[in-house]
Amino acid sequence: QITLKESGPTLVKPTQTLTLTCTFSGFSLSTSGVGVGWIRQPPGKALEWLALIYWNDDVRYSPSLKSRLTITKDTSKNQVVLTMTNMDPVDTATYFCAHVRNIAAHSWGQGTLVTVSS
Amino acid sequence: QSALTQPASVSGSPGQSITISCTGTSSDVGGYNYVSWYQQHPGKAPKLMIYEVSNRPSGISNRFSGSKSGNTASLTISGLQAEDEADYYCSSYRSSTTPHYVFGTGTKVTVL
Repeated sequence: QITLKESGPTLVKPTQTLTLTCTFSGFSLSTSGVGVGWIRQPPGKALEWLALIYWNDDVRYSPSLKSRLTITKDTSKNQVVLTMTNMDPVDTATYFCAHVRNIAAHSWGQGTLVTVSS
Repeated sequence: QSALTQPASVSGSPGQSITISCTGTSSDVGGYNYVSWYQQHPGKAPKLMIYEVSNRPSGISNRFSGSKSGNTASLTISGLQAEDEADYYCSSYRSSTTPHYVFGTGTKVTVL
């Protein structure tokens, strides 16, 4: 059974850096074709892909957010970390991590709501 | 980057069939067979319903089917049931100077 769980701060101030950790089980990020992605959803709005890291360290970023995002993996800990710099109130959203195969998010974490406010 | 275009809402009566469209370009939907569909109930995480245009993950009802023609992908729900009322999102790989992934604008499905 594959499970993923997001963890990190629920409240950050404008201009601060957000660091989120995805801890997963039931699969290995060293397996060919496997990736872990981050997706967010502002309240009442649509989903948005943020970043994705593959088993071979290949990474994909949203072009509009690329300058602010960094995604890394720790295969031994079964964790993927996303950092987003210069947070703004418009970045208030639920952030999800997901297990990716075949260019699709097959399993998702429950999500974590991050609020950006002073 | 621009999202894929979906109708804001689609409705149908129990037992009917409905189709949700997802329109992109030759750089995403039309150029690759990497279209996936997700169902999201309020307050819940999305759930994968279709991947690679028409493949169903294990455990997904065969009432859900996917297809593609040109730059438009479609999700059809047949034998509509009350539990199908949810938001649905398409997603695709997009080639560009920086290859990445995009979601659609989302469609609210209402069972009348």
